[in-house]
Amino acid sequence: DAGVIQSPRHEVTEMGQEVTLRCKPISGHDYLFWYRQTMMRGLELLIYFNNNVPIDDSGMPEDRFSAKMPNASFSTLKIQPSEPRDSAVYFCASGLAGGLRGELFFGEGSRLTVL
Amino acid sequence: AQSVTQPDIHITVSEGASLELRCNYSYGATPYLFWYVQSPGQGLQLLLKYFSGDTLVQGIKGFEAEFKRSQSSFNLRKPSVHWSDAAEYFCAVGPFGNEKLTFGTGTRLTIIP
Repeated sequence: DAGVIQSPRHEVTEMGQEVTLRCKPISGHDYLFWYRQTMMRGLELLIYFNNNVPIDDSGMPEDRFSAKMPNASFSTLKIQPSEPRDSAVYFCASGLAGGLRGELFFGEGSRLTVL
Repeated sequence: AQSVTQPDIHITVSEGASLELRCNYSYGATPYLFWYVQSPGQGLQLLLKYFSGDTLVQGIKGFEAEFKRSQSSFNLRKPSVHWSDAAEYFCAVGPFGNEKLTFGTGTRLTIIP
């Protein structure tokens, strides 16, 4: 398996622009997570899905952030409008319930810079 | 609320020396505990996990960790580090499985020749 695939790997945009980050989880995994990593706040869970359904979005910073999972093989995290404080590395991770519970498989991240 | 504390932000160790990274957690019930490693420019990779049973757990790359309930700790150890172990290490706690893991702030490990 190719692992969790994220795109783009790097994104530089200007304040006010819309940003869309994409994630393809590992086939067969039923959980998908979006994390944000910054020097100041470390790793923060933004939202997670189970079987394509959002379970907990309490970590989403504000209404400018939205996430969707239209099917089991694709998820997006959108920021509109973007602000400089959104600059961070955004990670997507997938996992399984049951026997392999607890292991998250992370993508390589999308580094976002908002100017 | 669950929380994880990694008191050491940065540790420097000589190659071949032993290593211990500290992790303390706060959780109201029996925790599920994890150690992840992040190499530069990469995502996180699971090193080991503790759910129940033997309090000394073995992981990949020669790492082990010991769960001590009385001290609320889950320290990571390796008897002899290699230059390739240079990375950032994250301790995490969750209620069960992988839902809503809380990560510590990480410990950056530098290896010197």
